[in-house]
Amino acid sequence: DQQVKQNSPSLSVQEGRISILNCDYTNSMFDYFLWYKKYPAEGPTFLISISSIKDKNEDGRFTVFLNKSAKHLSLHIVPSQPGDSAVYFCAASGRSGNTPLVFGKGTRLSVIA
Amino acid sequence: DTGVSQNPRHKITKRGQNVTFRCDPISEHNRLYWYRQTLGQGPEFLTYFQNEAQLEKSRLLSDRFSAERPKGSFSTLEIQRTEQGDSAMYLCASSFPGLGLYFGPGTRLTVL
Repeated sequence: DQQVKQNSPSLSVQEGRISILNCDYTNSMFDYFLWYKKYPAEGPTFLISISSIKDKNEDGRFTVFLNKSAKHLSLHIVPSQPGDSAVYFCAASGRSGNTPLVFGKGTRLSVIA
Repeated sequence: DTGVSQNPRHKITKRGQNVTFRCDPISEHNRLYWYRQTLGQGPEFLTYFQNEAQLEKSRLLSDRFSAERPKGSFSTLEIQRTEQGDSAMYLCASSFPGLGLYFGPGTRLTVL
């Protein structure tokens, strides 16, 4: 059973436009959510996180939105750059981040120049 | 460099052999995690330590797998009697409680 779902395996966006990556979760005990970026032959790199007490967190070009009632979060990248091309993983945790992270299958983002 | 390091980066072995991987976490982090990633999947949790204590093991961690963190610093993951289904990227990560994980580059295992 997939507790964290990323239903889009891939996404292509033009440089300068907005990239929106989506993630759904099923476990209502999750209260801490993170996005990771992964390049080939490297480990995942932490990008941005959000606690369930917030509905938005922003860091430069990256914004994460959380809709607790829908059990949905999204990552917005504005403006998208070719260097953003990577696989993006959504992850969730319970007890304020004190349980092991559960990851989605990832979305491959391609930013086209 | 104060990131998480893993050795070796690649390991090719024959079915039935034993393999051992090492992870050196960020020195200030007291939690250390092992994850496994196969093609088209996200990282899957295997086990984690707080200092030298192994606090949780996934049901993915069969009895052929054993992990140790003897002095609360580096960790080893051993797979005995490897099978072709063990072929994967094995990722180590470290953290403080309640914060995001910092991953190493991974060890890619290929079982022939």
